[in-house]
Amino acid sequence: DIQMTQSPASLSASLGETVTIECRASEDIYNGLAWYQQKPGKSPQLLIYNANSLHTGVPSRFSGSGSGTQYSLKINSLQSEDVASYFCQQYYNYPPTFGGGTKLELK
Amino acid sequence: QMQLQESGPGLVKPTQSLFLTCSVTGFSITSGYYWIWIRQSQGKHLEWMGYMTYSGETFYNPSLKSPISITRETSKNQFFLQLNSVTTEDTAMYYCAGDPGGNWFAYWGQGTLVTVSS
Repeated sequence: DIQMTQSPASLSASLGETVTIECRASEDIYNGLAWYQQKPGKSPQLLIYNANSLHTGVPSRFSGSGSGTQYSLKINSLQSEDVASYFCQQYYNYPPTFGGGTKLELK
Repeated sequence: QMQLQESGPGLVKPTQSLFLTCSVTGFSITSGYYWIWIRQSQGKHLEWMGYMTYSGETFYNPSLKSPISITRETSKNQFFLQLNSVTTEDTAMYYCAGDPGGNWFAYWGQGTLVTVSS
């Protein structure tokens, strides 16, 4: 299985700040990557697919980039409602696998 | 608007079987989409378990320690997950999900918590 490693595991940032979360795959996944946001007590919600395509209804302050084995999720102008855990997921190879998550808190 | 809702026993004893139901509204499970089961352990790790397509084909995660089975009841617009001989490692929040392509997961249920304990 492809291993997905996220960093950092936790992150503290201020309102209005720009935040970047990294995801590294154990092999090239050719942009077969999605990002999810999970708020406490809720199910994960799709943010981005194909590494950089914004899912319907997701605010434009979220963006994804990367290629090969290295990908990132950027949140511009952090809002209070962005406090959540974030997960990456590869789907280039079956079975789909997830990163360990990044917990984002407000400073 | 498609909605998914999981249901299950909550508490299961080790070595017993676990049977979960996902009820889908707003979309027929035979009209399209992949119908997926994903679980999340207490430590928040997410694990893809398998899918059933709208035509009834299944694919399971070969890395799972215990075999699973995904079935459906089309008349009720439901699909199911069965795990046999559960252990404490199967304690998790179980989610059902749906997606047109099956690669990423656009629609999720709210999850059902399963605890395996004697």
